[in-house]
Amino acid sequence: DGGITQSPKYLFRKEGQNVTLSCEQNLNHDAMYWYRQDPGQGLRLIYYSQIVNDFQKGDIAEGYSVSREKKESFPLTVTSAQKNPTAFYLCASSTTANTNYGYTFGSGTRLTVV
Amino acid sequence: DAKTTQPTSMDCAEGRAANLPCNHSTISGNEYVYWYRQIHSQGPQYIIHGLKNNETNEMASLIITEDRKSSTLILPHATLRDTAVYYCIVRVGYRNRDDKIIFGKGTRLHILP
Repeated sequence: DGGITQSPKYLFRKEGQNVTLSCEQNLNHDAMYWYRQDPGQGLRLIYYSQIVNDFQKGDIAEGYSVSREKKESFPLTVTSAQKNPTAFYLCASSTTANTNYGYTFGSGTRLTVV
Repeated sequence: DAKTTQPTSMDCAEGRAANLPCNHSTISGNEYVYWYRQIHSQGPQYIIHGLKNNETNEMASLIITEDRKSSTLILPHATLRDTAVYYCIVRVGYRNRDDKIIFGKGTRLHILP
């Protein structure tokens, strides 16, 4: 079955360490997105990419970096410059060719920095 | 900023219809209305979307006003499993380098037994 996979589900890191969250999709979607969610809050857009080798900053890109070397993959690196990295991170994908499809979300990665 | 306004929370009795309102008074002619829901600690799930006409699928119905400035998501027979946060979103409906969804805080729907 096609879908979008985020790994790992839970991640613990020490303060000051960079960490990379994985997001892979086999839906043949052009566009991919990263969101951050804090407890009791909505989703905030970090980065998004419409095509390979191109991406744009979202509303809260500071302290994060991404790459889009393959259509299927959109990893997110949380750098030591991100002041409050502990959060729930969600990856999504969509096709830009047909608006009859919404976004498909992964199941998320819960990052805890201690 | 999100382009939609929703009530913070709502209650609905199990078995009754849940009607979730959304205001999107600044919606453009080429923007679609999408609804998603998020069950605790999971990724949001697509429910339904529409442009002008009312829409229905196996999950819900979407009623969009004639002026398109507001809409209502209807869950016809709510069950306890429908307890979730519901997000109403507007999105440009064509291939666009800047295509992205901005989420608001949504409506927390409590289904009461």
